Amino acid sequence: NAGVTQTPKFQVLKTGQSMTLQCAQDMNHNSMYWYRQDPGMGLRLIYYSASEGTTDKGEVPNGYNVSRLNKREFSLRLESAAPSQTSVYFCASTRTGGRQPQHFGDGTRLSIL
Amino acid sequence: GQQVMQIPQYQHVQEGEDFTTYCNSSTTLSNIQWYKQRPGGHPVFLIQLVKSGEVKKQKRLTFQFGEAKKNSSLHITATQTTDVGTYFCAAPNFGNEKLTFGTGTRLTIIP
Repeated sequence: NAGVTQTPKFQVLKTGQSMTLQCAQDMNHNSMYWYRQDPGMGLRLIYYSASEGTTDKGEVPNGYNVSRLNKREFSLRLESAAPSQTSVYFCASTRTGGRQPQHFGDGTRLSIL
Repeated sequence: GQQVMQIPQYQHVQEGEDFTTYCNSSTTLSNIQWYKQRPGGHPVFLIQLVKSGEVKKQKRLTFQFGEAKKNSSLHITATQTTDVGTYFCAAPNFGNEKLTFGTGTRLTIIP
């Protein structure tokens, strides 16, 4: 049982390049989330999807887009990467709602030069 | 939006000493969750507290939810090197599926 799988694990981009971070869960969870983690800032929510077919903005959505491709997969896209987007990105999923534990992937360490 | 304050930001303790981190909200919470993140790892769910005044224990870890459901604490008795990491509290936002995470307390152990 893999849980939440994120790809890639590491990536280096140049300013202005685009890329998509992939996330898939095999727990039949309804809700999925993208967070970024910067030193001393904790986890900040970028976007989330409460269910298949819906997405909503979180705390820091600017510069990102998301796609809930199906119930399993939730991708995060950087259209034009900026150095301020250098961070560790975590995908998480939960059965539904704020009363359920969130299960996190191993993260993607993204550096933008 | 929902804000959850967590203190201290860092804590260095000698192995065997106790450790406590505190989480505070200006609003009443429906529940609170605690996560642990090892260095280089991802957050892992530890526990959820729901009831006013609730106390739960996991071996050397004691979790408390305040009577007013506005604060919570995590206490570790006799720390061990395996306790190293960052501990986060997290609270749900009313009316949606979001969790707001505290800024975390990073625990380091001096052997």
